[in-house]
Amino acid sequence: EAGVAQSPRYKIIEKRQSVAFWCNPISGHATLYWYQQILGQGPKLLIQFQNNGVVDDSQLPKDRFSAERLKGVDSTLKIQPAKLEDSAVYLCASSLRANTEAFFGQGTRLTVV
Amino acid sequence: QKEVEQNSGPLSVPEGAIASLNCTYSDRGSQSFFWYRQYSGKSPELIMFIYSNGDKEDGRFTAQLNKASQYVSLLIRDSQPSDSATYLCAADNFNKFYFGSGTKLNVKP
Repeated sequence: EAGVAQSPRYKIIEKRQSVAFWCNPISGHATLYWYQQILGQGPKLLIQFQNNGVVDDSQLPKDRFSAERLKGVDSTLKIQPAKLEDSAVYLCASSLRANTEAFFGQGTRLTVV
Repeated sequence: QKEVEQNSGPLSVPEGAIASLNCTYSDRGSQSFFWYRQYSGKSPELIMFIYSNGDKEDGRFTAQLNKASQYVSLLIRDSQPSDSATYLCAADNFNKFYFGSGTKLNVKP
């Protein structure tokens, strides 16, 4: 069974530029999560989708971050404009449904300079 | 208040010893609890999950849940140097999946 796929693996951008990350969850998984993990900290939930609907986006900085999950499968997370403090690893995870174990992709390491 | 709290460590144990990792959660509505292991520079990987009060064993790992005390723990028996990693506790709170900040475990040969 293929795992959660993310791209790109690494990205370096200048502050005020925009960037987008892509995630393809495990086939059949209805729930998709985007997490931000700053070095030395635990993953912070940014947004959670159930199929193509948003369950929770309370910690998503909506003035600069946006995410979508069209057709309830792939998802993209966008940052525009980026700030230095956005430097982190962005992790995508999926689960069969809410309340079950989540599986993570390899993450995208973003560096904002 | 953070939904899930963990001691950041590091927790150091000698090889072969039992490592005990602890986690508390704030919301009594949390139903499911998960332990993940994260090696430096890697993504979290699931070790085990627990839904019911009591103990759940899987190989060298035992998860313990006490809903009355809002407490979850992970015991690692016969600790190996390869167990050295950060251990993340996660709680499913009304279908929202929150992580603690993790406990760094060092197993010394």
